Amino acid sequence: NAGVTQTPKFRILKIGQSMTLQCAQDMNHNYMYWYRQDPGMGLKLIYYSVGAGITDKGEVPNGYNVSRSTTEDFPLRLELAAPSQTSVYFCASSYQVHGELFFGEGSRLTVL
Amino acid sequence: DQQVKQNSPSLSVQEGRISILNCDYTNSMFDYFLWYKKYPAEGPTFLISISSIKDKNEDGRFTVFLNKSAKHLSLHIVPSQPGDSAVYFCAAKETSGSRLTFGEGTQLTVNP
Repeated sequence: NAGVTQTPKFRILKIGQSMTLQCAQDMNHNYMYWYRQDPGMGLKLIYYSVGAGITDKGEVPNGYNVSRSTTEDFPLRLELAAPSQTSVYFCASSYQVHGELFFGEGSRLTVL
Repeated sequence: DQQVKQNSPSLSVQEGRISILNCDYTNSMFDYFLWYKKYPAEGPTFLISISSIKDKNEDGRFTVFLNKSAKHLSLHIVPSQPGDSAVYFCAAKETSGSRLTFGEGTQLTVNP
């Protein structure tokens, strides 16, 4: 039972490049989330999904896109990367909506 | 507008003593509160929660206290152990279905 798996763990991007952060969970949770954590700040919700085919914006969605084609997978797409997107990104899932969250190990992204 | 604040970025205690981590909130509609623990290079993990209908919840060495009139909650760890050294986030939410709002985190260091 792997829980929530994120890839890659580290990535360096140039300004304007695009990439996708992958997230998969094997707990059969309907609810999945993407958060970012900046130094000295709490986790900020980027996007979340309440089930396959359904996604919604969180607090800081600008510059990101998501899709949810299956229960297991919830990729986060960064288009036209900017230095402000340098952060640690956490994917999470839960059994209840915005309930107890199970987090992945995080993906550290640097945009230069 | 930081609705959940952890005013102490760091806390250092001796092994065996009590650790008290504090969290203040401004939104009177918050009615469910959680604490997460985060080790370096790992995702946060759920620690303990409390509903606004209670003022205390205990789980082994961890106790969370809620003072609704002061909009304040605290996490007590007794006795503290070196393995408790981590960043602790408090989080809060309104009625079922609303998003979690996280505090900035407090780095706890327990010295042997």
